[in-house]
Amino acid sequence: GESVGLHLPTLSVQEGDNSIINCAYSNSASDYFIWYKQESGKGPQFIIDIRSNMDKRQGQRVTVLLNKTVKHLSLQIAATQPGDSAVYFCAENVQGGSEKLVFGKGTKLTVNP
Amino acid sequence: DTGVSQNPRHKITKRGQNVTFRCDPISEHNRLYWYRQTLGQGPEFLTYFQNEAQLEKSRLLSDRFSAERPKGSFSTLEIQRTEQGDSAMYLCASSPDEQYFGPGTRLTVT
Repeated sequence: GESVGLHLPTLSVQEGDNSIINCAYSNSASDYFIWYKQESGKGPQFIIDIRSNMDKRQGQRVTVLLNKTVKHLSLQIAATQPGDSAVYFCAENVQGGSEKLVFGKGTKLTVNP
Repeated sequence: DTGVSQNPRHKITKRGQNVTFRCDPISEHNRLYWYRQTLGQGPEFLTYFQNEAQLEKSRLLSDRFSAERPKGSFSTLEIQRTEQGDSAMYLCASSPDEQYFGPGTRLTVT
């Protein structure tokens, strides 16, 4: 069925290090993936997305990697800053199918100064 | 601020009461979504509008829940006869393509 999960519920890194947040999905029909950042008391904030015809996409300090063979998605944050501390969710969608996003449970990233 | 706005931000109500939340999407976004998020979990899809038409509803949206988008702009989500299990953050999102979320309405049912 449709489900998106995360390997680690928490991640703690030192300021300036690179962070890698992982996500596994089970719906092989999913072809659109998004990473959201959610700070306490706020709604999810769009970070970056990737479509299934790509393996990698880069943004500002962030890179998303998609491995369709093993149904794995990762978010890499370069030079992690205290402001990056938040919960990160991956979400999936089947383009042309349901409009809903299916979210995983999230990974809480803590950046230590 | 031209993002998605939601009102109220917080609502405390007694079990059995009705509540209504409002969402104002980003201007000219024709798609609007409602999600529910409980503590420690990711958002769960409730329903979706394209313009004024409600095109998709989750089975999570019981008969006590109703959503409208009468003029294809703002939307309301009403919960009738609230139960303690309805306590959650109710999130609205709008999109032309990728979904942009509002700050949410936190509902506490006592």
